[in-house]
Amino acid sequence: KAGVTQTPRYLIKTRGQQVTLSCSPISGHRSVSWYQQTPGQGLQFLFEYFSETQRNKGNFPGRFSGRQFSNSRSEMNVSTLELGDSALYLCASSLGTGTGELFFGEGSRLTVL
Amino acid sequence: GENVEQHPSTLSVQEGDSAVIKCTYSDSASNYFPWYKQELGKGPQLIIDIRSNVGEKKDQRIAVTLNKTAKHFSLHITETQPEDSAVYFCAATTNQGGKLIFGQGTELSVKP
Repeated sequence: KAGVTQTPRYLIKTRGQQVTLSCSPISGHRSVSWYQQTPGQGLQFLFEYFSETQRNKGNFPGRFSGRQFSNSRSEMNVSTLELGDSALYLCASSLGTGTGELFFGEGSRLTVL
Repeated sequence: GENVEQHPSTLSVQEGDSAVIKCTYSDSASNYFPWYKQELGKGPQLIIDIRSNVGEKKDQRIAVTLNKTAKHFSLHITETQPEDSAVYFCAATTNQGGKLIFGQGTELSVKP
């Protein structure tokens, strides 16, 4: 069974640009969650999508957005990039029913110059 | 707000020794407590979890204990091996699906 796939793995952007990251969950999983990981703040929850609807949202500005498609694949977008957005962005999938195990991808490492 | 404190931030042990990592959570409604292991360049991987109706759970060399009254939970690794070296994260949640509140992580180093 294939794991969670995130693309791209690495990317470099400049301030003011926007970026889109993609996540393909494990087959059969309907929930996709996104996390930001930085050395200073650790792992912070961005948002969760379940059946194409945002089910939960963390405390991030509106520049961070996401969506989920009918095949459960998800994308997140960050607009007007700031230096502080440099981080590892992790996607996790789960069945979505109740509270259960999250399966993480290897992340997309974003560097903002 | 919701918060999870994790200690220590770094831990160095000799191969064969035990390692203990402790976490405290703030939301008394939390009912699911997973532990993740993250190796360099990889995403976090679930190694064990416990729910609020259980006080202890064990899986081979790994065990987790939960004290709901004190809002503490701990990870115990016995007979540590060099391949246990990684960053370990505790987390807590309150039936919120994919939303986990993570601790700051513990970098475990097991010296051969």
